[in-house]
Amino acid sequence: GENVEQHPSTLSVQEGDSAVIKCTYSDSASNYFPWYKQELGKRPQLIIDIRSNVGEKKDQRIAVTLNKTAKHFSLHITETQPEDSAVYFCAASARGSSGSARQLTFGSGTQLTVLP
Amino acid sequence: NAGVTQTPKFQVLKTGQSMTLQCAQDMNHEYMSWYRQDPGMGLRLIHYSVGAGITDQGEVPNGYNVSRSTTEDFPLRLLSAAPSQTSVYFCASSSGGSGNTIYFGEGSWLTVV
Repeated sequence: GENVEQHPSTLSVQEGDSAVIKCTYSDSASNYFPWYKQELGKRPQLIIDIRSNVGEKKDQRIAVTLNKTAKHFSLHITETQPEDSAVYFCAASARGSSGSARQLTFGSGTQLTVLP
Repeated sequence: NAGVTQTPKFQVLKTGQSMTLQCAQDMNHEYMSWYRQDPGMGLRLIHYSVGAGITDQGEVPNGYNVSRSTTEDFPLRLLSAAPSQTSVYFCASSSGGSGNTIYFGEGSWLTVV
């Protein structure tokens, strides 16, 4: 099945600096790569996603890049703010055991702390 | 439109007890799934369903049962609780497979003593 590795596990940046989180995946058939943000005690919430036919996608201060040849994708947050502090998860689509559906496999998460 | 609703939010069980985590969605989503979240391990898929009457195993299915008798409901049953099942459980739904936005419930914090 799919395996997703995420680095780093913790990341501290100064307010206003950029933050980059990287993920690699193993299943070359994966074609959907979402990123989730989870604040303490809350549910994960989708912040941006990218599909395999797109190399880069931006949404205000957040961008995601995808390199299908190398099987890695990254989250970029520019002009970080204290409210960006949270755990961020990458994920990749994966086929179910019956082969009938594709489900998400998550990375282990990155704790981002933005220092004021 | 409540989205994905999970109950209970907090539960303490004794080893060997059984219980059911309830999940309901009001978005008419075909796909529903259960994940568990443990520190440093992200979210791991337990079971999922692609529609009423259809379920399949995820990455960590042992010790859990599911059923999908209606489109709206997808309960998760712990057959005989073990301390290793202490975790945060998230139910999720989406309109159709991977590639569509997954919406999570608020989570259920389960402690097995």
